[in-house]
Amino acid sequence: SQQGEEDPQALSIQEGENATMNCSYKTSINNLQWYRQNSGRGLVHLILIRSNEREKHSGRLRVTLDTSKKSSSLLITASRAADTASYFCASSGGSNYKLTFGKGTLLTVNP
Amino acid sequence: EAGVAQSPRYKIIEKRQSVAFWCNPISGHATLYWYQQILGQGPKLLIQFQNNGVVDDSQLPKDRFSAERLKGVDSTLKIQPAKLEDSAVYLCASSLDRELRSYEQYFGPGTRLTVT
Repeated sequence: SQQGEEDPQALSIQEGENATMNCSYKTSINNLQWYRQNSGRGLVHLILIRSNEREKHSGRLRVTLDTSKKSSSLLITASRAADTASYFCASSGGSNYKLTFGKGTLLTVNP
Repeated sequence: EAGVAQSPRYKIIEKRQSVAFWCNPISGHATLYWYQQILGQGPKLLIQFQNNGVVDDSQLPKDRFSAERLKGVDSTLKIQPAKLEDSAVYLCASSLDRELRSYEQYFGPGTRLTVT
């Protein structure tokens, strides 16, 4: 079964706007990762945040983690048409650091 | 750096037939994963190898699916016999992951399987 749930399921914005996606998970984690998937480049790792971190930045990406609420958010600032893709959170837990993906958020950035 | 290679990219078979997928991970990556991604869902882990040993195969339908990783490098995933519900994209990923510490995973382009 899939542990993570992204919200919203779909998001449509204009180029230049910010996009925020949320993720919830069910059990304790070692870290939480965000991935992007589009038809051109497949599934690509974006950012990893460890369980003892609360916020992390990478370029136009900002990720937060609240382990007390078992939730994370991904913010993409100044979005571009090329950001159009599905975004998945994946929680890493257990002794083998197994990744469990959510169902994803489909982001459409309109030019 | 060469990425994760998979073949074939597409496969169409009839139910009850068998099929095999091949994966070549990034050189030096100790951990290899096979995922199944059904349309509209996130990837689901089928099996995880650390070198050539199985770390997790709890979600692998072992009555019909099998996987092996010979010499700790390439891997094959086989389905025999296939069912309609096996239609999905099969993704292979690898990570540096020495000593089972979690690193980012690098995914191949996937094999899109259609079972008719």
